[in-house]
Amino acid sequence: QKEVEQDPGPLSVPEGAIVSLNCTYSNSAFQYFMWYRQYSRKGPELLMYTYSSGNKEDGRFTAQVDKSSKYISLFIRDSQPSDSATYLCAMSVNDMRFGAGTRLTVKP
Amino acid sequence: NAGVTQTPKFQVLKTGQSMTLQCAQDMNHEYMSWYRQDPGMGLRLIHYSVGAGITDQGEVPNGYNVSRSTTEDFPLRLLSAAPSQTSVYFCASSYLGQGSYNSPLHFGNGTRLTVT
Repeated sequence: QKEVEQDPGPLSVPEGAIVSLNCTYSNSAFQYFMWYRQYSRKGPELLMYTYSSGNKEDGRFTAQVDKSSKYISLFIRDSQPSDSATYLCAMSVNDMRFGAGTRLTVKP
Repeated sequence: NAGVTQTPKFQVLKTGQSMTLQCAQDMNHEYMSWYRQDPGMGLRLIHYSVGAGITDQGEVPNGYNVSRSTTEDFPLRLLSAAPSQTSVYFCASSYLGQGSYNSPLHFGNGTRLTVT
């Protein structure tokens, strides 16, 4: 079993939809939780990071961590075609572990 | 501001050939690392360095060598390429390290390697 599980999708939604991306993990020692966005043929770039449980909001993006369930989520409100990318969850205590990524397409 | 620069962008090798993937960063980051990205596997750490002259193995180091003679450069060497090394390789750097809060990894745009 992988330490970090992420549904690879692909996920296709219409413009303006609310998107929910999720990861589960098995290592309860993870403390820092991150979401990276990766456009086609590009390297990942940090989108959001959180520490421990709770919510963090940044514009249209909300990151949610539930350590009791070992479950993290990224919500995208009012999704735009420019949000079309692969979204990678990542988490760490000393070493970082990445999910396999979910490919999202937002259709105009 | 260039960030993390990787060369080449694409490479095709025959089994048994060797090559060096180049990585340079201009952010004065002490921590640099190499990942490979394969479908369904996520990013996996190959080697990393916490400063000039210091390197260590990651999750999948076999078949790869690294050295860190300067803060800016962190080349990855494939000693004898195998088809299993066909992948996209990413170099990343950060100020404090991969597990540190508020010290995000900055990635290059990758080298796409095919071994036939």
